[in-house]
Amino acid sequence: DTEVTQTPKHLVMGMTNKKSLKCEQHMGHRAMYWYKQKAKKPPELMFVYSYEKLSINESVPSRFSPECPNSSLLNLHLHALQPEDSALYLCASSPWGEVQETQYFGPGTRLLVL
Amino acid sequence: AQKVTQAQTEISVVEKEDVTLDCVYETRDTTYYLFWYKQPPSGELVFLIRRNSFDEQNEISGRYSWNFQKSTSSFNFTITASQVVDSAVYFCALINAGGTSYGKLTFGQGTILTVHP
Repeated sequence: DTEVTQTPKHLVMGMTNKKSLKCEQHMGHRAMYWYKQKAKKPPELMFVYSYEKLSINESVPSRFSPECPNSSLLNLHLHALQPEDSALYLCASSPWGEVQETQYFGPGTRLLVL
Repeated sequence: AQKVTQAQTEISVVEKEDVTLDCVYETRDTTYYLFWYKQPPSGELVFLIRRNSFDEQNEISGRYSWNFQKSTSSFNFTITASQVVDSAVYFCALINAGGTSYGKLTFGQGTILTVHP
């Protein structure tokens, strides 16, 4: 059973909307990740937070704004998205943010931008 | 730079058949970690195994087994006596211990496995 939860499961938004994706992990992990996955493609890393600080930003457009309020919560704020941003957004966590650790994924949020 | 290649885009088998999913990787690092994940239609990536570059021991877990060969840069995954519930997309992934790719999982393109009853 996954201990990484994501809400909502599905989201439809217009290009002028502002919405947020939420991720929560209950494993006491100190590193959290956002990935984007287009249909029939592998996940692509967007952001990494380690000890609540942004440690990696993979040149993601500013219309995606991550936030880590505490070590168990990770948000992704969305604003002025484009239809090509429609994808599955996956959250993951790992114990300390060290490279050898396994990343555990949540069920994802399926986003459709109209 | 690192790269993971899963040459089999789609595999279709009948239940109870054995199936092997291939994974070939490229990296310049001597220390790295390899993973397999399963992604069922629900979307969640389910962790299956992690192997570090210094441990070439093969592993078996129930119907699953993995063959890691550094000489051929391969990390293949075999499902014995496949079941319909094994139908999913399977991803092989690599992470280097250092360099500019630090902390970033590199995934293969995935193999879609369909097991027919």
